[in-house]
Amino acid sequence: GAVVSQHPSWVICKSGTSVKIECRSLDFQATTMFWYRQFPKQSLMLMATSNEGSKATYEQGVEKDKFLINHASLTLSTLTVTSAHPEDSSFYICSAPTGGSSYNEQFFGPGTRLTVL
Amino acid sequence: QKEVEQNSGPLSVPEGAIASLNCTYSDRGSQSFFWYRQYSGKSPELIMSIYSNGDKEDGRFTAQLNKASQYVSLLIRDSQPSDSATYLCAPGGSGGGADGLTFGKGTHLIIQP
Repeated sequence: GAVVSQHPSWVICKSGTSVKIECRSLDFQATTMFWYRQFPKQSLMLMATSNEGSKATYEQGVEKDKFLINHASLTLSTLTVTSAHPEDSSFYICSAPTGGSSYNEQFFGPGTRLTVL
Repeated sequence: QKEVEQNSGPLSVPEGAIASLNCTYSDRGSQSFFWYRQYSGKSPELIMSIYSNGDKEDGRFTAQLNKASQYVSLLIRDSQPSDSATYLCAPGGSGGGADGLTFGKGTHLIIQP
C-alpha cells in the first residue's frame, strides 16, 4: 500500500501555544488529504479536507481559525493547532487517497498524539 | 448525515475459529467500502476494500457486501491472537471526488488463545 508519514509522532505543549503537524505522502501525490481526530475510546472523526492549491473545507463544529490547514504541495499538508488548550489533547491522524475518486483506497499516517498541559 | 453502525463488542472468539464482524450504513449512494484494523494506540490500517455486491477474499479475510440491505461484513478465518484489535467499517463516497470517511464506532475483537 501507499505510505503516508506524519511528524511529529507525539508532542507535549503548554496551554496557549501553537503546534504544527505535518502529513506527507511518500510515494504518491495527493491533491486531497484528510485530517481526523480521535479521542480515547472513540472512533475517528473527520475534521477537515485539505486541498492542494485551495482552501481547506471543515466539518461542522470544527473551528477553522483554530485548526489551520495548509496544503503546500502535492505531497505535504500541515495542520496547525493554534492557542492549544487541554481539551485539544487528542490523537490527530491524516489520510490520503491514492487517486481523486472515492473508489480509491485511503491510507493513514501513523498519527500524532498531542498533549496540552 | 451519514451513519455507520457496528456492534462495539467486545467480540470474543477462540483462536482458530471464524470471527464475523458486521456493519450497516445509511448512505445508499455509497459505492466503496473499507475495513480498517486499528491496534490500541496506533492509526488505522486498511485490510479490505470492496466495491461490488458479493464476496471478496484476501487470504484469511473475506468481505461481503449487500448494497440492497446496506450491509457489509468481514469474516476472519483461522483467527489468531494477533487479530485482536478494533475493526472499523467505513463506506466510501458515490464514486466522484475523494471524500473523507465516516467511521463506525468499531468492533473490539478479542481472540482467545
